[in-house]
Amino acid sequence: QVQLQQWGAGLLKPSETLSLTCTIYGGSFSGYYWNWIRQPPGKGLEWIGKINHSGSTNYNPSLKSRVTISVDTSKNQFSLKLSSLTAADTAVYYCARGVGDPWGQGTLVTVSS
Amino acid sequence: DIVMTQTPLSLSVTPGQPASISCKSSQSLLHSEGKTYLYWYLQKPGQPPQLLIYEVSNRFFGVPDRFSGSGSGTDFTLKISRVEAEDVGVYYCMQSTQLPKTFGQGTKLEIK
Repeated sequence: QVQLQQWGAGLLKPSETLSLTCTIYGGSFSGYYWNWIRQPPGKGLEWIGKINHSGSTNYNPSLKSRVTISVDTSKNQFSLKLSSLTAADTAVYYCARGVGDPWGQGTLVTVSS
Repeated sequence: DIVMTQTPLSLSVTPGQPASISCKSSQSLLHSEGKTYLYWYLQKPGQPPQLLIYEVSNRFFGVPDRFSGSGSGTDFTLKISRVEAEDVGVYYCMQSTQLPKTFGQGTKLEIK
């Protein structure tokens, strides 16, 4: 059974860059798109972007200028970088395979000075 | 972007009674390849969302058959035939017919 384990810094300052990594256990990259999704506290879900095993990406236009999603197939990992953080980027960030099976456990990222 | 609008935003249901959630999209979700990429998720407190229904009406593995999805074009519905206590949480619809993927606002289901 495929599992996703994600990690990264949870407390960042305004203008800094968020960096999160998601490792895939029990499965391979091929045949799927791998997504990042976020959820501000008490609010709904926002799709950030996706990547496939060959590195082809799609980003949400609302974040595109600040987002980079990359893949390291040798480590079965994919990563998210979000630059120029503001308080509005405070959210739980999730990685997920395909249309949502499975999801990572989520990482709360707080942006505060 | 395609806007997804869910109604109601909250629902309080007696165990054993049915429940229904509507999801309307601002554009047709019928893809040029003939499929409709509309999904339903349940997010239980403190957990990531879990996939319930894919492509409008297909129950995901392990999802009880009291959950059903229907609809076409711009109008979709999630029905729970008999609500159980474990069904509490927030239900989201999502479309991936057109990027960016977009979610409804969520419908919070509570048990009376």
